[in-house]
Amino acid sequence: GDSVTQMEGPVTLSEEAFLTINCTYTATGYPSLFWYVQYPGEGLQLLLKATKADDKGSNKGFEATYRKETTSFHLEKGSVQVSDSAVYFCALTGYSTLTFGKGTMLLVSP
Amino acid sequence: DTGVSQDPRHKITKRGQNVTFRCDPISEHNRLYWYRQTLGQGPEFLTYFQNEAQLEKSRLLSDRFSAERPKGSFSTLEIQRTEQGDSAMYLCASSPSSGANVLTFGAGSRLTVL
Repeated sequence: GDSVTQMEGPVTLSEEAFLTINCTYTATGYPSLFWYVQYPGEGLQLLLKATKADDKGSNKGFEATYRKETTSFHLEKGSVQVSDSAVYFCALTGYSTLTFGKGTMLLVSP
Repeated sequence: DTGVSQDPRHKITKRGQNVTFRCDPISEHNRLYWYRQTLGQGPEFLTYFQNEAQLEKSRLLSDRFSAERPKGSFSTLEIQRTEQGDSAMYLCASSPSSGANVLTFGAGSRLTVL
């Protein structure tokens, strides 16, 4: 079945550091790929998405590129802020439902 | 548009009791999903509806769990004879039936079984 593997956290960075959170997937067909973010005490929010190979999703300075050849969708940001501290979930969807990774906690210190 | 609403936000119950959660999706969304999230894990799919039809159920949804969406609007998730292992956050999400299945999630209902 479909699955998503994310790097384990927590990822601890200083403000303005470069961020990469790795995500790889296993799926049949051609899934759409997503990053969701969960801030403390809040619900899951869509951060960005990509629907086909080589698409780049971007939002709020975050980017991720759909790499079919490596089955990856790594999340990057050039300069993180304290307000980016949250749990980040990589997910994929085939026809109807989302399959999530376990999540990666990001902690950014001033 | 008030987003996806879930009620109650937190429920504490004793083992063996029944609990029911309600979800009000975004009004123009005809798909509604239930997920369960435990500490340190990603959300796990439970079931989804297209309008009032329940189209898919995960094997995680044991016989003690039942979900309904009687008029294709709000949905309820009932857990009978709760067990301590049912303690989790129950998430509801909705989406339109077209597009890339972008789900909008509610804030969740946290269940604690004592």
